[in-house]
Amino acid sequence: DAGITQSPRHKVTETGTPVTLRCHQTENHRYMYWYRQDPGHGLRLIHYSYGVKDTDKGEVSDGYSVSRSKTEDFLLTLESATSSQTSVYFCAIRDRLIYGYTFGSGTRLTVV
Amino acid sequence: KNEVEQSPQNLTAQEGEFITINCSYSVGISALHWLQQHPGGGIVSLFMLSSGKKKHGRLIATINIQEKHSSLHITASHPRDSAVYICAVSNMDSNYQLIWGAGTKLIIKP
Repeated sequence: DAGITQSPRHKVTETGTPVTLRCHQTENHRYMYWYRQDPGHGLRLIHYSYGVKDTDKGEVSDGYSVSRSKTEDFLLTLESATSSQTSVYFCAIRDRLIYGYTFGSGTRLTVV
Repeated sequence: KNEVEQSPQNLTAQEGEFITINCSYSVGISALHWLQQHPGGGIVSLFMLSSGKKKHGRLIATINIQEKHSSLHITASHPRDSAVYICAVSNMDSNYQLIWGAGTKLIIKP
């Protein structure tokens, strides 16, 4: 989607290694979100941010950390990747709470 | 019981048919969202509703706040409409985070 990009698009990593996924927006939106999508579970919120250095946990935050040092970037870090973190990760942005969401194209992460 | 229920889970139809996907919710909401995801693809926001009806091309979304129910309609369906359609609600009590339905997988046959 225009205005939001995720990197990398695909990654294979080994169990126990750290991994960082990046979400970059050019929309200057305040709110940013990280979701994971797994078969049978739909989308689940990992962490979200409501401003620079302001973040909060979602429903599946264990094993993940985030940082937002600039409005445009929201980083998701797996400190020590596990096979259960194999998933498709989506970033989303929204300007204000009354507006809709824009999603990134997703990052397919495989932990072997 | 899930807070957001969609029906049907799967729907197969012929090209040209009128399609209806339903969404019921049990929580207070600030808005309801309809999203589309093509196989292996990204997620696209189709509509955000807080009341009434919205139309975009062949897609129509309606919401009945009193009944806590929304419908997504597709007129003159086409194979390119084949996708998963997801209903989600924004909940004031959870800081406006989205509560997701399980999705409806739609297949339109030529």
